[in-house]
Amino acid sequence: AQSVTQLGSHVSVSEGALVLLRCNYSSSVPPYLFWYVQYPNQGLQLLLKYTSAATLVKGINGFEAEFKKSETSFHLTKPSAHMSDAAEYFCAVRGHFGNEKLTFGTGTRLTIIP
Amino acid sequence: GAVVSQHPSRVICKSGTSVKIECRSLDFQATTMFWYRQFPKKSLMLMATSNEGSKATYEQGVEKDKFLINHASLTLSTLTVTSAHPEDSSFYICSARGDTGGYSGNTIYFGEGSWLTVV
Repeated sequence: AQSVTQLGSHVSVSEGALVLLRCNYSSSVPPYLFWYVQYPNQGLQLLLKYTSAATLVKGINGFEAEFKKSETSFHLTKPSAHMSDAAEYFCAVRGHFGNEKLTFGTGTRLTIIP
Repeated sequence: GAVVSQHPSRVICKSGTSVKIECRSLDFQATTMFWYRQFPKKSLMLMATSNEGSKATYEQGVEKDKFLINHASLTLSTLTVTSAHPEDSSFYICSARGDTGGYSGNTIYFGEGSWLTVV
């Protein structure tokens, strides 16, 4: 079975500071990994995805994530936080063909301090 | 980019009635759609996987007779909550797999979600 663990249900950073949201995965095969963002009362928007290509993945809104097999991690970062980044962030893992369900982490609520 | 639309975005229904939520892929064909339920301040729980032209596959613990899923076309899946009760009140989100050809490139696109309140 595959799973993801998001460390920290709440993260607060100052505007302009580095954003680091942690995600560790567990999978018996090389996984496909995703980060989604959810704004209040809305659905999920894909930030970025890792699908066995480059280990450093760049996404929208200045976010990026690095796949580290040795650490089974896929942490999300952004060099400089903006007020509009305040939202809930979900890490998710998906298996390969035949096991396509997305399994989500518990989410991390990012608060930006002015 | 690909768009998935859900309707209605908010619905209030009386206890004991049924309510239908639609999920449409607007600019791509989706042979597979997924229905999730999200409780307040919680993560998403997969309810079922919907495949066009066949029966949905439900996750363990999800009542298939209560949450009816129909995927009649390549662009539309519906979730019907039958005999709704207050405990069914939740945020329901659908997603669709964009079949872009080449499995590794397929991306899951999410709808905006539907708030169901049963009174």
